[in-house]
Amino acid sequence: KQEVTQIPAALSVPEGENLVLNCSFTDSAIYNLQWFRQDPGKGLTSLLLIQSSQREQTSGRLNASLDKSSGRSTLYIAASQPGDSATYLCAVRGAPGAGSYQLTFGKGTKLSVIP
Amino acid sequence: GAGVSQSPSNKVTEKGKDVELRCDPISGHTALYWYRQRLGQGLEFLIYFQGNSAPDKSGLPSDRFSAERTGESVSTLTIQRTQQEDSAVYLCASSPWGQGTRQPQHFGDGTRLSIL
Repeated sequence: KQEVTQIPAALSVPEGENLVLNCSFTDSAIYNLQWFRQDPGKGLTSLLLIQSSQREQTSGRLNASLDKSSGRSTLYIAASQPGDSATYLCAVRGAPGAGSYQLTFGKGTKLSVIP
Repeated sequence: GAGVSQSPSNKVTEKGKDVELRCDPISGHTALYWYRQRLGQGLEFLIYFQGNSAPDKSGLPSDRFSAERTGESVSTLTIQRTQQEDSAVYLCASSPWGQGTRQPQHFGDGTRLSIL
């Protein structure tokens, strides 16, 4: 059974710092990995999707990397802003087969960017 | 709005009552998913619909939970004889099929269900 772990559970940084969020998964047979942002009382907003054949994806100040063989992904946020404060969730989709459309989520990292 | 729409946004009900949650997917999205997010826990997969295929109900926690979807439109998640452990945020997501599982899932804002 796939398990996804996110470290740290919470992170507080001053505005302007670069930071890295970590995600690890136990079964490397994944189809893709997705990073989401969740604001309080809101649903999930997709940030980046990395297919299993890719090593990284970039969008603006965000860069996500994937090392499938070691079961790890990182989300790098450059020049953090108070508006980046949210919970960041990592989710993996299993390889083709039963349940491959399901996403398995980590519990998230709650990020606070202090002005 | 072009996003996934869920209603109600909040629902408070007494233990033992039935509740019905609604999800309107993004137009044209053939795949629809329900997830549950309990306090302090990660999201749990509940059920998946893809077009007219038989849904995957493998994530439903008990027979008190059921879901329906008509074609590629609205879905309802029904919880019968609610229990306090059913309190959670219920999230719906949809995605286009196209290249199958390569597509990202788009989430609604969820229904926050509280069982008294």
